Amino acid sequence: SQQGEEDPQALSIQEGENATMNCSYKTSINNLQWYRQNSGRGLVHLILIRSNEREKHSGRLRVTLDTSKKSSSLLITASRAADTASYFCATVGLNFGKGTSLLVTP
Amino acid sequence: DAGVIQSPRHEVTEMGQEVTLRCKPISGHDYLFWYRQTMMRGLELLIYFNNNVPIDDSGMPEDRFSAKMPNASFSTLKIQPSEPRDSAVYFCASSFGPHEQFFGPGTRLTVL
Repeated sequence: SQQGEEDPQALSIQEGENATMNCSYKTSINNLQWYRQNSGRGLVHLILIRSNEREKHSGRLRVTLDTSKKSSSLLITASRAADTASYFCATVGLNFGKGTSLLVTP
Repeated sequence: DAGVIQSPRHEVTEMGQEVTLRCKPISGHDYLFWYRQTMMRGLELLIYFNNNVPIDDSGMPEDRFSAKMPNASFSTLKIQPSEPRDSAVYFCASSFGPHEQFFGPGTRLTVL
């Protein structure tokens, strides 16, 4: 299986700041998905971007996709303490990797 | 819908014993995934099925691991014999098409 790789591995910011995390992959994809995992819990789907889309928004989330570079980014604007979690990128057949661990401090 | 159901939630066993993890996907979903999560290796895809047929099992660590999906509403992941390095959280997920995956709560496996 191919692996999605998130970068950075860890990110610490203060409430109100924006958080950006990146994802790289090696195979061709039909879509790319971002997930969030709170400590000790299962993963929750955040947003899906199709291979023919370049940018997508959902609330405070903004995802971009560059298929030529095989990379994606997730931007969380105006972060809150409740955004503290690990974030993963994935698609069918991909390992999720280790994710980006985001810590948002009040 | 109750979501993806996994059982047991916790399993403690001794090295050499057989372990069977169970998963009930969301009704109507045609993809089912098994993942393993550890601190060292992150969240690894072990195997996934489409319409009950295994599509990619390249993530299965070795012959001690096997997975079956006898029908659309049930899947098992079996480890025989179990080893301490198999200790991890095992997640099952399902989806309708190759899209959003819905994860179960996971099974925390400890092999002593």
